[in-house]
Amino acid sequence: EVQLVESGGGLVQPGGSLRLSCAVSGFTFSSYWMHWVRQVPGKGLVWVSRINTDGSTTTYADAVKGRFTISRDNAKNTLSLQMNSLRADDTAVYYCARDLHYNQADYWGQGTLVTVSS
Amino acid sequence: QSALTQPRSVSGSPGQSVTISCTGTSSDVGGYNYVCWYQQHPGKAPKLMIYDVSKRPSGVPDRFSGSKSGNTASLTISGLQAEDEADYYCCSFTVRHDLVFGGGTKLTVL
Repeated sequence: EVQLVESGGGLVQPGGSLRLSCAVSGFTFSSYWMHWVRQVPGKGLVWVSRINTDGSTTTYADAVKGRFTISRDNAKNTLSLQMNSLRADDTAVYYCARDLHYNQADYWGQGTLVTVSS
Repeated sequence: QSALTQPRSVSGSPGQSVTISCTGTSSDVGGYNYVCWYQQHPGKAPKLMIYDVSKRPSGVPDRFSGSKSGNTASLTISGLQAEDEADYYCCSFTVRHDLVFGGGTKLTVL
């Protein structure tokens, strides 16, 4: 069974940092591109970032470029999102998701809530 | 990249059909056959219902179908059931090789 489990969310002050993790199981992690997508509670989905199978190619939404870094550890079946210089508008539920192809994600985690507030 | 345009809400009675539209541009929906649709129930993760405009993942009922004409994609749900009540989001691959979502449509089963 394919499983993705996010962790690392919580309350952080503006300007602070947080590192999210996504532990995966049930599939060959190293064979799939992966994504982070976020959703402000009650609002729509917003794509955040993508990484290829070996971590050599990463892409970011303009809103997080230069502040967020996506990475992966294929030996540990773990996807990460390092978030720096956090702002109030980064407050959202963050989902990790497996890429089917061309950025269409077929499996998602349950999400982890990040709240940026003083 | 601007979000794709979806109606805020649609509704239908059990057994009826409803169609949700998703309008983009030639840089996303109109330019690629990589349009997908997600169903999201409150407090749950999105579930992929349609990919590549009209393909259904294993386990998705054939009551769900997708299509595209020009810059507009559509999701049609036939034989509406109570459990179909949810939020629906379209998405599309884009010319920048990233991903754009629609704003979401709330489906109410009357």
